[in-house]
Amino acid sequence: SYELTQPPSLSVSPGQTASIPCSGDELGTKFVYWYQQRPGQSPLLIILQNTERPSGIPERFSGSNSGNTATLTISGTQAMDEADYYCQAWDTSRGVFGTGTKVTVL
Amino acid sequence: EVQLVESGGGFFQPGESLRLSCAASGFILSNHWMHWVRQVPGKGLMWVSRIKEDGSYTSYADAVEGRFTISRDNAKNTLHLQMNSLRVDDTAVYYCVRERKGSYGAFDIWGQGTMVTVSP
Repeated sequence: SYELTQPPSLSVSPGQTASIPCSGDELGTKFVYWYQQRPGQSPLLIILQNTERPSGIPERFSGSNSGNTATLTISGTQAMDEADYYCQAWDTSRGVFGTGTKVTVL
Repeated sequence: EVQLVESGGGFFQPGESLRLSCAASGFILSNHWMHWVRQVPGKGLMWVSRIKEDGSYTSYADAVEGRFTISRDNAKNTLHLQMNSLRVDDTAVYYCVRERKGSYGAFDIWGQGTMVTVSP
């Protein structure tokens, strides 16, 4: 079955840039979506179709996808960005989520 | 307000069955593919199942294929997940999720989730 791999955790200082990779076989040929999940909350869509931000999502969130890796970038990270982040794609009509990355802002 | 509200969770024994429901409001359910996604507390997300706008197509994760059945009643703005032959590893929060129209599979609206606990 298809797998998407993310680093378990990542730490970033306020105001700095956080880059979260998501790796999968030929991932660049698929659309990738990113979700933010704060503690105790349901996930929130923050990037769709590799690079598009839904309405209301801050410009500091951006995405890219090429080769075997998709990347979520948070520019000028804020304390409120501390959360779990999941990538997601589709493979043979089944949804696949990445393993998730816990971002700590300190 | 666009909203999804799940119900039907609780405590169950292995081998039992249950039916989750999801009440949709604030949008036209029949315009969207719908999904179920689950999450073991403290762990990652797992896609479970999806159903086409008119109910004519469904697909399932390997872990639930043959045991779970997704269905919908667009007239009642309701999505269901029939869960049979429950296993301990089905224990999770189950989210009802809307797919954004025209997005090729983006999950834009999530319910608050309903907890299902399967234990002997």
